[in-house]
Amino acid sequence: AQSVTQLDSQVPVFEEAPVELRCNYSSSVSVYLFWYVQYPNQGLQLLLKYLSGSTLVKGINGFEAEFNKSQTSFHLRKPSVHISDTAEYFCAVTEMDSSYKLIFGSGTRLLVRP
Amino acid sequence: KAGVTQTPRYLIKTRGQQVTLSCSPISGHRSVSWYQQTPGQGLQFLFEYFSETQRNKGNFPGRFSGRQFSNSRSEMNVSTLELGDSALYLCASGMGLAGTTQETQYFGPGTRLLVL
Repeated sequence: AQSVTQLDSQVPVFEEAPVELRCNYSSSVSVYLFWYVQYPNQGLQLLLKYLSGSTLVKGINGFEAEFNKSQTSFHLRKPSVHISDTAEYFCAVTEMDSSYKLIFGSGTRLLVRP
Repeated sequence: KAGVTQTPRYLIKTRGQQVTLSCSPISGHRSVSWYQQTPGQGLQFLFEYFSETQRNKGNFPGRFSGRQFSNSRSEMNVSTLELGDSALYLCASGMGLAGTTQETQYFGPGTRLLVL
């Protein structure tokens, strides 16, 4: 069965510093990978996705992620964070079949401090 | 294009009651999925509908049910509410083309349900 692990429940970082949010997954079949962001009292917004092709994926708001098949990872990075990036970040996978079921990680709260 | 809309945004119910939540997908989207978000369990998949048919189901008791109408709007029903059903219920829509999962799911703002 597929699963997603986000080991860091909270990541504090100072404004303008770089950040990496970690995501590892397990699945017996090929998967699509996603990062979503959730701001307080809002739904989920797609940051970026990996479907195929280049393993480095660029998303909105300056975020990027790299798919590493051998390490089954899909870490999210940003070279310089802003206060406005404070939010909850969710990694998710879906298997390459007709299912649209997204399996989410437990989330990482990014706290950007001035 | 208008985004995914969910009504109501907030709801308070008591144990034993039932509740119906509504989701209107983005125009042209035919797939609607429902997720439950709680602090303890995180985001969990409830079910997915495509063209009025349930295509996939998560591990939730039969008290949780849903349906989709011909205009792709979807409703989710929870009967005999329990305290543990208090959660943010998120709806997501996508093109839902058969045979591919490359379509992105777009989420609504959610309905926050409080069971007292």
